[in-house]
Amino acid sequence: NAGVTQTPKFRILKIGQSMTLQCTQDMNHNYMYWYRQDPGMGLKLIYYSVGAGITDKGEVPNGYNVSRSTTEDFPLRLELAAPSQTSVYFCASSYVAGATGELFFGEGSRLTVL
Amino acid sequence: GEDVEQSLFLSVREGDSSVINCTYTDSSSTYLYWYKQEPGAGLQLLTYIFSNMDMKQDQRLTVLLNKKDKHLSLRIADTQTGDSAIYFCAPRMTGGGADGLTFGKGTHLIIQP
Repeated sequence: NAGVTQTPKFRILKIGQSMTLQCTQDMNHNYMYWYRQDPGMGLKLIYYSVGAGITDKGEVPNGYNVSRSTTEDFPLRLELAAPSQTSVYFCASSYVAGATGELFFGEGSRLTVL
Repeated sequence: GEDVEQSLFLSVREGDSSVINCTYTDSSSTYLYWYKQEPGAGLQLLTYIFSNMDMKQDQRLTVLLNKKDKHLSLRIADTQTGDSAIYFCAPRMTGGGADGLTFGKGTHLIIQP
């Protein structure tokens, strides 16, 4: 089982450039999430989606955009990259949000903005 | 203060027990999770406890919940080098559902030989 797949694993951007982090899951999960992880800061929720066509902001959405055109895919777009967006980004999915609501995580995408 | 607080580091000798502590603010948390992150990897669910339970045991893992003090702990018996990782406490906060979990900053478990 592939689970949650993120690409790329590593990327270096120059200030002002744009890019898209890809995330796809093959578990037919309704809920998908993007988190960023900064050293010593835990995970912060950027955006989430409860199903195709529906997205909503998390705790730290500024500078990012998302779309959810299919159940499987949840890309995260960075517009006008800034050094403050240097981080490790994790995509996650879950079948239900209530119940046990276990999140399944991808392996992460390490982004450096110089 | 933070919604979820954990110590950043814990160092234990191999074979000893590790106890990772977590305090949280939302007394109505219904599910409380422990996630494990190994170096260079994503997070994986380790165990969880329902809020109507005081304790849950799963092989070497024991989770204790003190709802009155809003304190959660994870005990790992006979700690092994493979237990070296970051452990995240993640209560499901009030109304939390589709908007995911609130994670603590994570506790780095360091194993001394």
